[in-house]
Formats: sequence, C-alpha cells, structure tokens
Amino acid sequence: EAGVVQSPRYKIIEKKQPVAFWCNPISGHNTLYWYLQNLGQGPELLIRYENEEAVDDSQLPKDRFSAERLKGVDSTLKIQPAELGDSAVYLCASCRGPNTEAFFGQGTRLTVV
Amino acid sequence: EDQVTQSPEALRLQEGESSSLNCSYTVSGLRGLFWYRQDPGKGPEFLFTLYSAGEEKEKERLKATLTKKESFLHITAPKPEDSATYLCAGVVGSARQLTFGSGTQLTVLP
Repeated sequence: EAGVVQSPRYKIIEKKQPVAFWCNPISGHNTLYWYLQNLGQGPELLIRYENEEAVDDSQLPKDRFSAERLKGVDSTLKIQPAELGDSAVYLCASCRGPNTEAFFGQGTRLTVV
Repeated sequence: EDQVTQSPEALRLQEGESSSLNCSYTVSGLRGLFWYRQDPGKGPEFLFTLYSAGEEKEKERLKATLTKKESFLHITAPKPEDSATYLCAGVVGSARQLTFGSGTQLTVLP
C-alpha cells in the first residue's frame, strides 16, 4: 500500500513570493491534515478535511494561507505571499476517520529567504 | 485549553538502560492517544494507538500504557537505533483535533 506522498520535498523561495505544496493521501482515507512543524517542536495543526470539507481551519492564517481538497482526494496548501517566518516543514497526514491513527508523508521543507 | 505535554524534553540513555517517556494531557473527552517516532528529516511514523485507561500495546522494545491522565512509553533495553524523537498526540475536544506534544528527543549511546 502506497503511503502519503508529498511534493516537493524541498523548496527555497524569496519572501513575498507564492508557494504551493501538494499531498496525495492513502487511498480510502477520508480525513486529511496539514501540519506545520518548526525545528524541535511537535507538529501544529493548520487544517483538517473530512472528504472535501474543511471541518477545522481555525489555526490556518487565512490572510496568506489557503488550502483545497478537490474531489476529496489530493490536497494543495498555498502561501501567498510567503514571509520569512513561514520557513518550516509542512506535513500532510491522512487517516480513515478522525479518531484513528494518522499516517504522515515525508514533509516539504520550506525555506524563505 | 486542551493540552498535551511531554517530558522530558531530551533523554540520553546507555544501550540496555531501560526508561520511560511521559505524555500527560489536560483535555476534555480524550478520544484516542497516539505515539509516533520521528527520525531527522522524515515525517512521524505511527507506533501505537490507545483508547482506554488501562490499555497497553507492545512492539519489540517499546510498550505504551494509558491512564486517565497520562500515557507512558516504556523502552526496555534500548539500542542505538532507537534514537529518535518520540511524539505523542491526542484526539481532543468536540472538534476532534489531533494535537501533538513537543516530543522527547531520545539518544541511546552504544
């Protein structure tokens, strides 16, 4: 069974530029999460999807971050414009349902210069 | 505010020296407690799920236990390859957020 696939693995951009991350969850997993992880910290939730509906986006900075999950499968997370403080690892995870174990992708390491 | 707190932040053990990592939670209506292992540059790797106080799960040198207020990850006779950051997470609240602690960085010296 294929795991959660994220791309790109690494991204370096200049501040004020836009950037997008892509996630393909495990087949059949209805719940999809986007997390942000800073060095030495645990993952922090940005948004959770149940199928194509964003059911928890209270932690998403909506002035510059946006996300979508078309057809309830793949998801993209976008930042526009990026700021220096956005440098972090962006993790995608999926699970069968909200109370079940989540499986993570390898993450995208974003560096804003 | 629902919180998940891990201790210690870092732990150094000699190979073969058993110990425990702690995950305490102050949440309403915990719906699941999960343990993950994370190696540098990689995403968290799922280890265990615990749902009820008194529940225990084992895998090789690791055993996870759950009480009404905390969970422990016991490491028996660790090896250098067990070195990693161990994260716990709880599904909390009516929003069913999967909330993580900040992790324990374990180093096992040969």
